Amino acid sequence: DSGVTQTPKHLITATGQRVTLRCSPRSGDLSVYWYQQSLDQGLQFLIQYYNGEERAKGNILERFSAQQFPDLHSELNLSSLELGDSALYFCASSVDAGRITGELFFGEGSRLTVL
Amino acid sequence: GESVGLHLPTLSVQEGDNSIINCAYSNSASDYFIWYKQESGKGPQFIIDIRSNMDKRQGQRVTVLLNKTVKHLSLQIAATQPGDSAVYFCAENLPDNNNDMRFGAGTRLTVKP
Repeated sequence: DSGVTQTPKHLITATGQRVTLRCSPRSGDLSVYWYQQSLDQGLQFLIQYYNGEERAKGNILERFSAQQFPDLHSELNLSSLELGDSALYFCASSVDAGRITGELFFGEGSRLTVL
Repeated sequence: GESVGLHLPTLSVQEGDNSIINCAYSNSASDYFIWYKQESGKGPQFIIDIRSNMDKRQGQRVTVLLNKTVKHLSLQIAATQPGDSAVYFCAENLPDNNNDMRFGAGTRLTVKP
């Protein structure tokens, strides 16, 4: 158990809809990272938050957004969903915000299926 | 563009044998690398990391080798066990890209009893 909690584990929705994925980082970790894992793209970094502020952005679509709340949990919002958004979405956390200098702790992921 | 890749998408080994998983990276500016293990239904789990100022780093039953000349990274697993069956990813971090770890496609390791 990594200590990172993600909900929901599975989600099925229709094209055009909007969903919210939730992540609670490990106790004491201030950074939260979101990754998308699809069969043809592997693990893609989406975005990182540190202590409530956006710190780094990767290949995140404009239809997607995220935020980190004062209690450090994070939410990833996916809107106007398309079939291609079907994927596993992972949250990871780490203690600090700077250069990744060690372990990222990953949650077990949220599997999104868009029909 | 530059990317992280893997030579072999699948690897099957006998229990007790040593496993070697390879990774090729194309960006010579990458200075930090991590190997992750992902078991079915779980998130990636950190195995070992190495910085570009090192050629070799050892952990418990695992060794990572870095050859900067040919931009090659390998993960060696000694005395492979059934519990080692998983997908293994290498990831690189560019010095000017603080938090964007670029992951390879992954290699599936299957350990036969």
